[in-house]
Amino acid sequence: NAGVTQTPKFQVLKTGQSMTLQCAQDMNHNSMYWYRQDPGMGLRLIYYSASEGTTDKGEVPNGYNVSRLNKREFSLRLESAAPSQTSVYFCASTQNDPNQPQHFGDGTRLSIL
Amino acid sequence: RKEVEQDPGPFNVPEGATVAFNCTYSNSASQSFFWYRQDCRKEPKLLMSVYSSGNEDGRFTAQLNRASQYISLLIRDSKLSDSATYLCVVNLSGGYNKLIFGAGTRLAVHP
Repeated sequence: NAGVTQTPKFQVLKTGQSMTLQCAQDMNHNSMYWYRQDPGMGLRLIYYSASEGTTDKGEVPNGYNVSRLNKREFSLRLESAAPSQTSVYFCASTQNDPNQPQHFGDGTRLSIL
Repeated sequence: RKEVEQDPGPFNVPEGATVAFNCTYSNSASQSFFWYRQDCRKEPKLLMSVYSSGNEDGRFTAQLNRASQYISLLIRDSKLSDSATYLCVVNLSGGYNKLIFGAGTRLAVHP
């Protein structure tokens, strides 16, 4: 019962480096999301994908790109990491039903020096 | 004004106590409502959905007041294991399932 799987769990980068955070779900969900969570703040939506082949910006998209590779996978890319992107990143998925909750991965703890 | 507002706490209560959290939301078009629980450095997990008529799940009771745009969570007979951050979550209407998260209320239950 994997649910939503994120890799890596931890990462340290230097300013200017790039990396891709991976997310996969095995629940046949249509919608997938990337959030970041910073101390004292709620989760903030970076990007989402309502279905395979579509992506849209959320509240804080600057500095990020995403790819919905197929129905299962939704990746988040930092092209040129900045210290302000130090955060915990969560991937989530759900059915396209407003009464259905989202299911989250374990998170990726990213530090940018 | 934040779209979803919660008292950050912490609420420090003894075991067995009853504790209540409130949450207010700003968008009157919000469609559905949830309480999530988040343990330290872990992912949020659904605690319960909140229905218009109010609903109960064991020691937990959730209520919704659409007219005043607030949601509440009542925890009875608190356990040590209830210590966590409780996130109020609102689903805005729209073509996709967009959740707005409150910053959370921290609960610490002590012996």
